[in-house]
Amino acid sequence: DTGVSQDPRHKITKRGQNVTFRCDPISEHNRLYWYRQTLGQGPEFLTYFQNEAQLEKSRLLSDRFSAERPKGSFSTLEIQRTEQGDSAMYLCASSAQGYEQYFGPGTRLTVT
Amino acid sequence: QKEVEQNSGPLSVPEGAIASLNCTYSDRGSQSFFWYRQYSGKSPELIMSIYSNGDKEDGRFTAQLNKASQYVSLLIRDSQPSDSATYLCAVNIITDKLIFGTGTRLQVFP
Repeated sequence: DTGVSQDPRHKITKRGQNVTFRCDPISEHNRLYWYRQTLGQGPEFLTYFQNEAQLEKSRLLSDRFSAERPKGSFSTLEIQRTEQGDSAMYLCASSAQGYEQYFGPGTRLTVT
Repeated sequence: QKEVEQNSGPLSVPEGAIASLNCTYSDRGSQSFFWYRQYSGKSPELIMSIYSNGDKEDGRFTAQLNKASQYVSLLIRDSQPSDSATYLCAVNIITDKLIFGTGTRLQVFP
């Protein structure tokens, strides 16, 4: 079993640019989650999918953030018009329905 | 009141001792409980899950859940320096999303 993979691992971007991150879940997992973590805090839920359906979005997810999982396999998270406050580790996790969530290595975003 | 609370630490224990990490949660509807270990600069790694009252043991780790008192704890027996990390408590309530505490930093000294 390969684990959850994320790409890129690091991203440095200038304020105002758009960025897109990719997550590939564990192959038999039908649920995929996105979280964001800043220094000294626990991960904070952003959104999750069951297959290709987006089931829940956090109120924290502004309209600059969009996530997709078009074929129920990999997912992308896009941030438009990045702001310095978007600097964080973006974590993806996957699970078989209703069970433990396993995290990928994360994408560290720095907005300058 | 935060939904999931943990003492931020650091909790310092000598090698070979038992480390006891605690977590309280506010929502009585919480259904599933998880402990993750996170090394500095890395992503969280699942080490224990517990769903019903009582103890659950896995190797050197024991998770304890008391729903009446709304707390969950993690015991690490025979602590090793390699156990030094931040331990995150996570809870899910109704939907699948996890609510995390801020983590407790554990330091195991030789």
